[in-house]
Amino acid sequence: EAGVAQSPRYKIIEKRQSVAFWCNPISGHATLYWYQQILGQGPKLLIQFQNNGVVDDSQLPKDRFSAERLKGVDSTLKIQPAKLEDSAVYLCASSSRFSGGFTDTQYFGPGTRLTVL
Amino acid sequence: GNSVTQMEGPVTLSEEAFLTINCTYTATGYPSLFWYVQYPGEGLQLLLKATKADDKGSNKGFEATYRKETTSFHLEKGSVQVSDSAVYFCALSDANTGNQFYFGTGTSLTVIP
Repeated sequence: EAGVAQSPRYKIIEKRQSVAFWCNPISGHATLYWYQQILGQGPKLLIQFQNNGVVDDSQLPKDRFSAERLKGVDSTLKIQPAKLEDSAVYLCASSSRFSGGFTDTQYFGPGTRLTVL
Repeated sequence: GNSVTQMEGPVTLSEEAFLTINCTYTATGYPSLFWYVQYPGEGLQLLLKATKADDKGSNKGFEATYRKETTSFHLEKGSVQVSDSAVYFCALSDANTGNQFYFGTGTSLTVIP
């Protein structure tokens, strides 16, 4: 079974530029997550999708970050414009189902390391 | 609210030494608990999990027991190998908060021959 795919693996941009990241979850996984992992910290959830709907985006800085999951499969995360403090690894994860009474394991992609100069 | 507190690192051990990485949590409901491992240049991989009190998760010689009375989920391994060198993250997921994951800050482990 193929894992979660992400691209690019690395990106270097200057502040105020735009950048986009792509994620392809494990086939059949309805739930998709984007996390931000700053060096030395644990991952922080940015947004969670169930199919193509947003479940939780309470920690997404909506003035500069946006995400979409068209057709309930692939997802893109965009930053426009980038700031120095956005330098981090952006992780995508997926899980097989969402249920109010059961917790599912999340499977992570390799991440995209973003450096903002 | 929900949170996870992990033992500060980095941790350096000799091969075949005993490993303990402490993890305690705060949760409003009845969370599931996880240990993820991150090898250099790779994404997080699930190492083990436990979904209810007194459950023991185990994998690759690692184990952790869900202790509700002490709100802990400490990771242990009896004899570490060089290949265990990685960053270890404790996490919880609470169905009451939409299955959102809360991660600790990670503990870096280096095993020397």
